[in-house]
Amino acid sequence: QSVLTQSPSASGTPGLRVTISCSGSSSNIGSNTVNWYQQLPGTAPKLLIYNNHQRPSGVPDRFSGSKSGTSASLAISGLQSEDEADYYCAAWDDSLNGPVFGGGTKLTVL
Amino acid sequence: EVQLVESGGGLVQPGGSLRLSCAASGFTFSSYWMLWVRQAPGKGLVWVSHIDSDGSFTNYANSVKGRFTISRDNAKNTLYLQMNSLRGEDTAVYYCARVQGYGGQYYFDHWGQGTLVTVSS
Repeated sequence: QSVLTQSPSASGTPGLRVTISCSGSSSNIGSNTVNWYQQLPGTAPKLLIYNNHQRPSGVPDRFSGSKSGTSASLAISGLQSEDEADYYCAAWDDSLNGPVFGGGTKLTVL
Repeated sequence: EVQLVESGGGLVQPGGSLRLSCAASGFTFSSYWMLWVRQAPGKGLVWVSHIDSDGSFTNYANSVKGRFTISRDNAKNTLYLQMNSLRGEDTAVYYCARVQGYGGQYYFDHWGQGTLVTVSS
């Protein structure tokens, strides 16, 4: 059971917008910034969003992140078939002194 | 270009040992914290351990504490994970990653391709 809670699946049709949520607690999301990782099938995770809403170079602005209290969300607009992947939220946990991850959300593009 | 290349995975019997390596290139390895994350087959990402830039501070997930040891050789630009007393539940792909940030605002900006560890008799 993961420390951060994500819905196991999400889906959307090409061109539309989908949101993935992540819920934590005061020791992780409530105290620290949230990051999102994208894992395409059979590949290593890739940093998608860091510090709640910042995008690394090369990540399209279709991807956006936000945080409020002990929850965070990832929004993907203009959905494309290549967005089909697993998405993980993560945050540093002050109690563990280490990172915690969500269980992952499998995004299906219909 | 930042590159992280893991090696050392394989099949090992329960109770056995294995040492994973992560060779880093394309950046000043000695300036960064590093960590190991694992992913059991069909499951999510789980933090295993991390180490500060000079190796003076380490931390471990409870599930591996006392059995795994993280270390680094900054002269060789290499991160290690010594895994002892291996159990079936340690079966996973192990990723090394570079840590960015500070003071709780940590994130992992580059990941290796992973190495598979299978614990089975």
